[in-house]
Amino acid sequence: EVQLVESGGGLVQPGRSLKLSCAASGFTFSDYAMAWVRQAPKKGLEWVATIIYDGSSTYYRDSVKGRFTISRDNAKSTLYLQMDSLRSEDTATYYCARDLPLFAYWGQGTLVTVSS
Amino acid sequence: DIQMTQSPASLSASLGETVTIECRASEDIYNGLAWYQQKPGKSPQLLIYNANSLHTGVPSRFSGSGSGTQYSLKINSLQSEDVASYFCQQYYNYPPLTFGSGTKLEIK
Repeated sequence: EVQLVESGGGLVQPGRSLKLSCAASGFTFSDYAMAWVRQAPKKGLEWVATIIYDGSSTYYRDSVKGRFTISRDNAKSTLYLQMDSLRSEDTATYYCARDLPLFAYWGQGTLVTVSS
Repeated sequence: DIQMTQSPASLSASLGETVTIECRASEDIYNGLAWYQQKPGKSPQLLIYNANSLHTGVPSRFSGSGSGTQYSLKINSLQSEDVASYFCQQYYNYPPLTFGSGTKLEIK
């Protein structure tokens, strides 16, 4: 059974950093592209970033370019999102999701709140 | 970037009814469209891909159709467990991958 378990969310002040993790199991992690998708409270879904199976290519939405870094450790079957220079508008539940370009599997999400 | 306009924003229907949700793309997306269901407090789940292909395990009362810039999701014989928000997503041209704003479905 495919499982994606996010962690690392919490309350952080504007301008600070946070690193999210997503532990994958139930499939060969190194075979799949992975992504982060976020959802602000009571709002819609917003794609954040994607990394291909071997980590050699990454893609970001414009609003996070230069601030967020997606990475993966295939030996640990873990996906990461390093978030720097956080803003209030980054407040959201962050989901990791498998596959590209559509998302067949999702984690349960981790809430990031950016507030002073 | 391709913009996805979804309607209606909310919908209330009776059990057993048929409901339709629409999604319009800002340009032709050549059936590169998926639909997701998100139940309250849960993560999204894939329903439909390639505009009209049912994902594994999805009940057959769900169906997708459309072409070009216009797409729709139909739910036949509405059940109580269908209460959820529904989102479309284009994947014909990316990055960025873009979603519709969502439709909240409730039971009358």
